[in-house]
Parts: sequence; structure tokens; C-alpha cells
Amino acid sequence: DTGVSQDPRHKITKRGQNVTFRCDPISEHNRLYWYRQTLGQGPEFLTYFQNEAQLEKSRLLSDRFSAERPKGSFSTLEIQRTEQGDSAMYLCASSLVAGRGYTFGSGTRLTVV
Amino acid sequence: GQQVMQIPQYQHVQEGEDFTTYCNSSTTLSNIQWYKQRPGGHPVFLIQLVKSGEVKKQKRLTFQFGEAKKNSSLHITATQTTDVGTYFCAGEGPGTASKLTFGTGTRLQVTL
Repeated sequence: DTGVSQDPRHKITKRGQNVTFRCDPISEHNRLYWYRQTLGQGPEFLTYFQNEAQLEKSRLLSDRFSAERPKGSFSTLEIQRTEQGDSAMYLCASSLVAGRGYTFGSGTRLTVV
Repeated sequence: GQQVMQIPQYQHVQEGEDFTTYCNSSTTLSNIQWYKQRPGGHPVFLIQLVKSGEVKKQKRLTFQFGEAKKNSSLHITATQTTDVGTYFCAGEGPGTASKLTFGTGTRLQVTL
């Protein structure tokens, strides 16, 4: 499969627990993005990497959220001390050049109970 | 910050009717992209528009970028049931390092 892979597909966690999601982008894509989407809304930008450098992070992102992209390949998004408001679909996307758009993964659906 | 709005929020059409969704940005964009998200799926890239006044066609879909590069539209001619989904525009502002701001989306329902 040459698309963007995300793991896990679903995660149910209790409030206060930490969760980590993984994204494997298309191998030749040097740009990687994390977005969050809630029901009936458009994807909301969280953070962006070019290779291993995190170039931008949304001001909406609290310090409970951290993302890494070691070696410029796969990326992880960690949420510490989860809250019910963190329940959403977390989407990862990658891109190579302008004009071709983003390729999204199938997402990780997080439910905080 | 940059905001991107779409209207209508929802449209229900009979198969064969036309459909249009409109996208407006609070700021001038360097380019605009359109995505389609099927129910239960993830956004899929359709097209990118870069030039002021640009018009592009993909079979029954026509995309337009406004002269001021702040608005865009997607028109579908003779809708089919396979067109069902939510259509998002997404704008990249100047100096935003390729970060896309997605619109609020228009959900299209097509019935026979």
C-alpha cells in the first residue's frame, strides 16, 4: 500500500490517560501534517513538518499535545492527560510538491470517556 | 486568523440536477484546493487553483477561482448518486508555509 497509513484506526481511552498515534506518510513526501476533525466540521490544522523539522504548530494546540517526526519519516502525535473535548478524528496527511494537494490517511478516531 | 466559509452548509438534489458550492476566505489566498469526503471516509484531493480568475474542469465538475483570489466555487453538472459527500475548499494564504485552512464544507445528498 503506497498511501498514508495511520495507526490505530480507533482508540477509546479514559480521561486523564495519555495516547499516542502514528502516521506513516507516502515515502517520498517530505511534508507531513496533522489535522483534527469533529463531526460536521472541516479539518482543523494542528501542526506541520518539513522533513524532521516542525515548522508550525497551531495556537489552538495546548501543551498537552506534542508531535515528532524523527528522521523525517513516520510521525507520532501524543496527547497527554486526555480530556473529553479531545474526542475527534485525528487525520494525518502528506505532500511533496505544490499543486498535487495533500494525501490523507484514514484517520484515528479518538473517544475519551 | 484566516477563516474560510462555505455555503450552503447542506444541499439535497435529485439526480440529474446541478449543484454549486461557494467558498469565501477572509484573506487573499495564494491558492485554493478542493477536497471531497465521502461519508465515513477521509478527504480526497480534487484540484488546485492558483491564478486569479482561473477556471478548471474535471468531467462534470467546474472549479473557479475569483479575480481577487478570495473566493472560489465548485459546480457539478447533472449530479449522480456517486457525487454524494462533503465538499471542502481549503485555502493556502501567503506566507503560511503550505498550511491549508479548510472551509466549513458543503454536504451534498443526491437521491434518485
